[in-house]
Amino acid sequence: NAGVTQTPKFQVLKTGQSMTLQCAQDMNHEYMSWYRQDPGMGLRLIHYSVGAGITDQGEVPNGYNVSRSTTEDFPLRLLSAAPSQTSVYFCASSLRENTGELFFGEGSRLTVL
Amino acid sequence: QKEVEQDPGPLSVPEGAIVSLNCTYSNSAFQYFMWYRQYSRKGPELLMYTYSSGNKEDGRFTAQVDKSSKYISLFIRDSQPSDSATYLCAMSAAAGGSYIPTFGRGTSLIVHP
Repeated sequence: NAGVTQTPKFQVLKTGQSMTLQCAQDMNHEYMSWYRQDPGMGLRLIHYSVGAGITDQGEVPNGYNVSRSTTEDFPLRLLSAAPSQTSVYFCASSLRENTGELFFGEGSRLTVL
Repeated sequence: QKEVEQDPGPLSVPEGAIVSLNCTYSNSAFQYFMWYRQYSRKGPELLMYTYSSGNKEDGRFTAQVDKSSKYISLFIRDSQPSDSATYLCAMSAAAGGSYIPTFGRGTSLIVHP
C-alpha cells in the first residue's frame, strides 16, 4: 500500500496564480484533512472531510478550497496564491471511527513569490 | 493561550540519555493523546497513542498522561542519534464525531553521539 500520496512535492508560484495540491490515499479512510506547517506555528488545520461529499473548514481556511468527490482523493485548491501561503502542506487521513490517529503524506513545499 | 502548549526547544542531549518531552493543555474534554515524530523534510508519523490517564510503554518509549494536571509526557530511554527529530504532541476529544486532533508546536530533539 502506498498510504497517503501528495503531489507535487515542490512548487513555486507567482502571486495571483492558481494551483491544486493533490492528495490520494489507498487505505479506504473516511476522514481526510489538510494542514499547513510554518516555523514556530506547528500544524494548523485548513480543511477536512469526514466522507465523500462532505467538507468543513478548519482553523485557517481562507484562500483555500477543497472538494471530496471520492473516498480516495482530497485536492486542495489555491485560487489566487499569496506570499502568505508559502508553507509546507500536509495531507492526512484516518478511519472515521478512529480517534485522531492520522496518517500523513510526505508534504508539498509551496513558495509563492 | 493556545489549547496545547509545547516548548519548541531545541533539546540537545548526549547519546544514551533519558529524554523527557512534555505538553500541557487547557481543554479538559481531551480524551485521546498522541505523540508524533517528524524527521526533517518528512511528514509526521504516529509514535504513541493513549486514551485517558495512565502510562503506555512501547520499547524505549513511554507515554504518560496526567489528566488531573492536564500534562502529558513522552520519555525516551537510551536515546539514539536516530531519535533526533521534532516530536509533536496531539490530543483530541469527540466533536460531532470527527475527533479532530489539536497539535502542539513540536519540540526539536537533537541526540548527539
